[in-house]
Amino acid sequence: NAGVTQTPKFQVLKTGQSMTLQCAQDMNHEYMSWYRQDPGMGLRLIHYSVGAGITDQGEVPNGYNVSRSTTEDFPLRLLSAAPSQTSVYFCASRGGLAGEQFFGPGTRLTVL
Amino acid sequence: AQKVTQAQTEISVVEKEDVTLDCVYETRDTTYYLFWYKQPPSGELVFLIRRNSFDEQNEISGRYSWNFQKSTSSFNFTITASQVVDSAVYFCALSVDNYGQNFVFGPGTRLSVLP
Repeated sequence: NAGVTQTPKFQVLKTGQSMTLQCAQDMNHEYMSWYRQDPGMGLRLIHYSVGAGITDQGEVPNGYNVSRSTTEDFPLRLLSAAPSQTSVYFCASRGGLAGEQFFGPGTRLTVL
Repeated sequence: AQKVTQAQTEISVVEKEDVTLDCVYETRDTTYYLFWYKQPPSGELVFLIRRNSFDEQNEISGRYSWNFQKSTSSFNFTITASQVVDSAVYFCALSVDNYGQNFVFGPGTRLSVLP
C-alpha cells in the first residue's frame, strides 16, 4: 500500500495562476480532507469529503475548490492563486469517524 | 463546537529529561476520540495514539505514555528519558462521532531536545 500520495511536493506560482494539487489514497477510505499548515496556526481544514460525490467546506474554504469523482482521488484546485495561499498543504484520509487520519507527505506551495 | 488547546508553544529539555506535553479539549459530545500526532523536522505527520472517550485507561508505549482524564478534559503526553530524535512538533487532536468531518487540531507544541 502506498497510503496517501500527494503531488507535487513543491510548487511556485505567480499571483493569479491556477493549479491543482493531487491527492490519492489506496486504502478504500471514505473520508478525505485537505488541510493547510501555517506557522503557529496548526492545521486548518479547507475542504473535506465523506464519500465519492460528496464534499463540504471546512474552516478556510475560500479560494479553493474540490471534487470527489472516485473514492481514491481528491484533488484541490486553486482558482486564482494569492500570496495568502502560500502554505504547506496536507491531504488526509480515514476509514471512519473513529479512525485516525493518514496524511500524505505534503505540498509546499509558494505564491509570488 | 470542538476545541483543542495546547498551552505550551515551545518546550526545550536536555536529553534524558522527562517532559510532559499538555492537551486540553472541549466538546459537548459524549462520544469522541483523542489523538496525538508527531511532526518531525522532515515535515510528515506521524500518528502516535488514539483514545476513545469511554476508555480512560492510561497507555504506555516504550518511552511514551498518555494520561487521559475526563474530569479535567485533558489528554497529556509524557516522554520519559527524552532523546534528540524526539525533537518535533506534537499535535493533539479531537474527533467527535457525528456525520461529517469534525477533526480539530490543537496549535501544536514544539519540543526541542538538546544533547
